[in-house]
Amino acid sequence: GAGVSQTPSNKVTEKGKYVELRCDPISGHTALYWYRQSLGQGPEFLIYFQGTGAADDSGLPNDRFFAVRPEGSVSTLKIQRTERGDSAVYLCASSINRGSYNEQFFGPGTRLTVL
Amino acid sequence: AQTVTQSQPEMSVQEAETVTLSCTYDTSESDYYLFWYKQPPSRQMILVIRQEAYKQQNATENRFSVNFQKAAKSFSLKISDSQLGDAAMYFCAYRSLQSGGGADGLTFGKGTHLIIQP
Repeated sequence: GAGVSQTPSNKVTEKGKYVELRCDPISGHTALYWYRQSLGQGPEFLIYFQGTGAADDSGLPNDRFFAVRPEGSVSTLKIQRTERGDSAVYLCASSINRGSYNEQFFGPGTRLTVL
Repeated sequence: AQTVTQSQPEMSVQEAETVTLSCTYDTSESDYYLFWYKQPPSRQMILVIRQEAYKQQNATENRFSVNFQKAAKSFSLKISDSQLGDAAMYFCAYRSLQSGGGADGLTFGKGTHLIIQP
């Protein structure tokens, strides 16, 4: 079946603009995760959804970042007033449920560049 | 908070040889999960192998095996018979059994870039 997909693949924006990044998880996966991967670093956890609700948003760096998953499937990560420091690859992952042992399946990421 | 350290930014190995990637972690928890993920240039993270902390037996998946030393908090990955397709970034990751406060996500190391020499 289809894996996790993310759109757009690349996004270039100007400082101060608003961006939305989309994630389509694997069908039937109730758990969805967003990570941010800066150049030369490993991914860093941002937020976790179980169904429609954000069960853990402790990784969001500040209130310019927000994510939704209104129907428990597709999720959108929203970044307001973008800054150059927001430039990174944003990865989305999904798993069958929250269980710690469960494999998280990752999408190819969105590379965000803020000029 | 847990931390994961990968001290080898880059490793190089001849095709068909064996290579070991190092990973250490810090935690106060007794039960947790450890993972190795591979990230090729396509950016898509792929699970290579996983280990439950309560299991003493080291996990094995075909040419990939781990050396899990719980007391030393060490979790190294051994790749046997290296192939050109193994070239990628490799990330070690920790997963808590707790909830909230960031524990629901994976905690990753900085990665090791593996080069396969033909």
